[in-house]
Amino acid sequence: GIQVEQSPPDLILQEGANSTLRCNFSDSVNNLQWFHQNPWGQLINLFYIPSGTKQNGRLSATTVATERYSLLYISSSQTTDSGVYFCAVGGGGTSYGKLTFGQGTILTVHP
Amino acid sequence: NAGVTQTPKFQVLKTGQSMTLQCAQDMNHNSMYWYRQDPGMGLRLIYYSASEGTTDKGEVPNGYNVSRLNKREFSLRLESAAPSQTSVYFCASSEALGRQGYGYTFGSGTRLTVV
Repeated sequence: GIQVEQSPPDLILQEGANSTLRCNFSDSVNNLQWFHQNPWGQLINLFYIPSGTKQNGRLSATTVATERYSLLYISSSQTTDSGVYFCAVGGGGTSYGKLTFGQGTILTVHP
Repeated sequence: NAGVTQTPKFQVLKTGQSMTLQCAQDMNHNSMYWYRQDPGMGLRLIYYSASEGTTDKGEVPNGYNVSRLNKREFSLRLESAAPSQTSVYFCASSEALGRQGYGYTFGSGTRLTVV
């Protein structure tokens, strides 16, 4: 199956700093999503981005499908950005919604 | 709008006991999923249901069964719990949104401990 690798595994920032999280995947995908898991365990869908670039406030994401990677940018980080960020990918057809998750990047933002 | 509701939120089982985790969604989504999350790992797919009346195995189905009771409900059953099934279980539902992409919503999770 598809392999998903995220880097870095851990990231510690001061409030206001910028960061880039990376997701590499081993095969072509039709579905790529970024999720944030907050410290209470709730998973929130950030982006659906199998290709191209999207922005939502301080967060933006870029996927270069031909090179099999995606980047999540967090600008002017806040303590509420802390948690785990997961990249998840899915194939085509009936595999579209079946996501394979990376191991996540643990982000800690200090005030 | 409740989204995806899972019950119970916490459960402790003895080895060999059985239980059913319940999941219901009110977004009229066709597809539903069960994932497990273990410490230091991402989520792994146990079973999924692409539409009402269909179910299929995911990456780690051994020791589990599922039932897609109707479009809203998708339950996960542990017939004989083992300590290796200690985990946090997440139910999710999804629907294609055309140009807007793909909506994926998770429940709040069930923390299961098998002793």
